[in-house]
Amino acid sequence: GAGVSQSPRYKVAKRGQDVALRCDPISGHVSLFWYQQALGQGPEFLTYFQNEAQLDKSGLPSDRFFAERPEGSVSTLKIQRTQQEDSAVYLCASSLGASSYNEQFFGPGTRLTVL
Amino acid sequence: AQTVTQSQPEMSVQEAETVTLSCTYDTSESDYYLFWYKQPPSRQMILVIRQEAYKQQNATENRFSVNFQKAAKSFSLKISDSQLGDAAMYFCAYRSADPEYGNKLVFGAGTILRVKS
Repeated sequence: GAGVSQSPRYKVAKRGQDVALRCDPISGHVSLFWYQQALGQGPEFLTYFQNEAQLDKSGLPSDRFFAERPEGSVSTLKIQRTQQEDSAVYLCASSLGASSYNEQFFGPGTRLTVL
Repeated sequence: AQTVTQSQPEMSVQEAETVTLSCTYDTSESDYYLFWYKQPPSRQMILVIRQEAYKQQNATENRFSVNFQKAAKSFSLKISDSQLGDAAMYFCAYRSADPEYGNKLVFGAGTILRVKS
């Protein structure tokens, strides 16, 4: 079956532009996570959804970052007025259930470059 | 807050040899999960192996095994009979078993593994 997909794979934005990054989780997966991975670093947690409910957004670095999952499947991470420090790979992951036991499956990521 | 530390930025191994990647973590919890993920240049994060903290037995998956030392908060990955396809960035990660923490993964900074032919 299909894995987690993300689009676009690459995005170049001028500073100040708004961007939207899409994540299609594995069908039927309840939990969805967004992570930010700076160059040469490990991923850092941004936000977590259980179905359509955003249960944890403690990792969002500023109010310019906004995520949604309105129908409990596809999710969009939006970054407003992009800054150079937003340049990173944005990873999406999904898991079947809400338990911490469930494995997280990752997408290939979107590489965002802000000029 | 939980933290994960990988002190080896880069490691090299000869093909068919064995290599060990180190990881330490800090937590006040007694129930949690530990993971090793592999990230090749394609960026797709792949789960290599998982360890439940309540299990004393070290996890093993084919050529991959861990040395889990709960008291020392150490979780190293051993790769036996290294293959060229093992070359990648390896991340150690922690996840709390407490639902209050929302199942998020806490990652280390990673270790680049190079395999020489």
